[in-house]
Amino acid sequence: NAGVTQTPKFQVLKTGQSMTLQCAQDMNHEYMSWYRQDPGMGLRLIHYSVGAGITDQGEVPNGYNVSRSTTEDFPLRLLSAAPSQTSVYFCASSLQGSGGTEAFFGQGTRLTVV
Amino acid sequence: AQKVTQAQTEISVVEKEDVTLDCVYETRDTTYYLFWYKQPPSGELVFLIRRNSFDEQNEISGRYSWNFQKSTSSFNFTITASQVVDSAVYFCALSEAHRTEYGNKLVFGAGTILRVKS
Repeated sequence: NAGVTQTPKFQVLKTGQSMTLQCAQDMNHEYMSWYRQDPGMGLRLIHYSVGAGITDQGEVPNGYNVSRSTTEDFPLRLLSAAPSQTSVYFCASSLQGSGGTEAFFGQGTRLTVV
Repeated sequence: AQKVTQAQTEISVVEKEDVTLDCVYETRDTTYYLFWYKQPPSGELVFLIRRNSFDEQNEISGRYSWNFQKSTSSFNFTITASQVVDSAVYFCALSEAHRTEYGNKLVFGAGTILRVKS
């Protein structure tokens, strides 16, 4: 099994450009989420989904959009990139449960907005 | 609101030293889960341990051990006889237990950078 696959691994954008970070998992996990990692701040939740067709905002959702049309895929869209969105982005998936299930993370996408 | 504090930003030790990484958490829930993840220089996140709030037994796995104390809201991680390969960023995280439609949201601490020198 591939687990959680994120593409691309690296990306440079100009301010104002839009792009989609891809995330796919092959473990049939109901729960998927996106985090961003910034120095000194750990990982912060951007958006999450508890199943196909259901998404919700996390701690830092502004400037990002998500959709979940299938169980496997959970893309993250940057609508109009800003330098403040320079970060490392991680997608994660886990079994649905009342909290406490292990999250499996992708390899991360390092995004630079110039 | 939930919060995880890892007060140690960076720790440097010499190989074979023991090192403890501190984690203090805040939550109003009586049922919750605590995690430790390792992020080596390659960048991926590696799951190390999960502990639920009703299980205060300490756990040992090889050179790793975890001390969970509800009385002080702490979940500390000790590496015995550290090795260069232990050099990484270590994250402590907290997840509430709640209705399944809220998913499995993790709140992370800022992380502790551990440097083990040979």
